[in-house]
Amino acid sequence: EAGVAQSPRYKIIEKRQSVAFWCNPISGHATLYWYQQILGQGPKLLIQFQNNGVVDDSQLPKDRFSAERLKGVDSTLKIQPAKLEDSAVYLCASSPRVVLETQYFGPGTRLLVL
Amino acid sequence: DAKTTQPNSMESNEEEPVHLPCNHSTISGTDYIHWYRQLPSQGPEYVIHGLTSNVNNRMASLAIAEDRKSSTLILHRATLRDAAVYYCILRDEGGAQKLVFGQGTRLTINP
Repeated sequence: EAGVAQSPRYKIIEKRQSVAFWCNPISGHATLYWYQQILGQGPKLLIQFQNNGVVDDSQLPKDRFSAERLKGVDSTLKIQPAKLEDSAVYLCASSPRVVLETQYFGPGTRLLVL
Repeated sequence: DAKTTQPNSMESNEEEPVHLPCNHSTISGTDYIHWYRQLPSQGPEYVIHGLTSNVNNRMASLAIAEDRKSSTLILHRATLRDAAVYYCILRDEGGAQKLVFGQGTRLTINP
């Protein structure tokens, strides 16, 4: 079974530029998560989708971050404009359903904002 | 979300057992105890979870105290590939399903 795919793996941009990350979850997984992991900290949930609907985006900085999950499969996370403090690893995870299911994580996208 | 407390770091030797502790004194009756680990430059991966009884799988064992206020992840025979950050997380069966990660324990394995 193929795992969660993410691209790009690395991205370097200057502050105030925009950037987008892509995630392809495990086939058939209804729930998709985006996490932000700042160096030295544990991952923090940004947004959770159930199929193509948003379940939780309470910690998503909506003035600059946006995410969508078209047709309930792939997802993109966008930052516009980026700030220095957005430098982090952005992790995508998926699970078959929601209730206490194991989450499967992708390798992450490492973003550096200069 | 209920809070867990873990040591920042631990060190062990290859082929020896490792016991990773986790305190969760405010755990509720419906909280499951989950463990994930994160190897260098990778996303977290599921290790094991339990509610009240001790649990075993191919990766590890989970020992849960009788009062459920603490638990211990046991790696029976550590290898160099077990070097990672280990996260102990409480998940409410009926509540929010998100994983709330703390700082975790950074485990170093000496050859």
